[in-house]
Amino acid sequence: ELKVEQNPLFLSMQEGKNYTIYCNYSTTSDRLYWYRQDPGKSLESLFVLLSNGAVKQEGRLMASLDTKARLSTLHITAAVHDLSATYFCAVDKGNTGKLIFGQGTTLQVKP
Amino acid sequence: SAVISQKPSRDICQRGTSLTIQCQVDSQVTMMFWYRQQPGQSLTLIATANQGSEATYESGFVIDKFPISRPNLTFSTLTVSNMSPEDSSIYLCSVEGGGGTEAFFGQGTRLTVV
Repeated sequence: ELKVEQNPLFLSMQEGKNYTIYCNYSTTSDRLYWYRQDPGKSLESLFVLLSNGAVKQEGRLMASLDTKARLSTLHITAAVHDLSATYFCAVDKGNTGKLIFGQGTTLQVKP
Repeated sequence: SAVISQKPSRDICQRGTSLTIQCQVDSQVTMMFWYRQQPGQSLTLIATANQGSEATYESGFVIDKFPISRPNLTFSTLTVSNMSPEDSSIYLCSVEGGGGTEAFFGQGTRLTVV
């Protein structure tokens, strides 16, 4: 059974600081997604990682994928308050389009 | 990218009743997916809906409780039947895009059962 685990589940940080969210998954997959969810809203797609060693960056967020270690990271650089949200990673189950989600990481950035 | 419209966006329903959620996509897609997000929780896949065949349900979800229709390649419905307060959740539909390398989500339906 494919399991996806994120840590930490809650992260409170000061503006300007750096931090990393980790996403571990239990079986082989070629597709990993990162989403952002604001309270009461749907999911906003951040990154799609499709191969080992893939690295993508958008603004203060950078995501990477190590398929051998079954690990993805979401790195936050110089956090700002607007990044406060819940971040989910999700793994495609056997490249079927079915996504298995991590528990989510709630990020709170304090001024 | 695919644009997905869900209706209703939210509803408050009495226990024992049923609600049908609609999902409309602006392009033809082979598979559509339905997810549930219980309060404060992550997303869990309910079922996969293919046009022309019965939906495939994940463990813990059954057709009698969550019947799904998929009459064409751009539309699907999910019904939440005989509702109880435990069904209060956000229900989201999703489709693949970008040749299977993207996953897009509708805005979700926030259901409260009283």
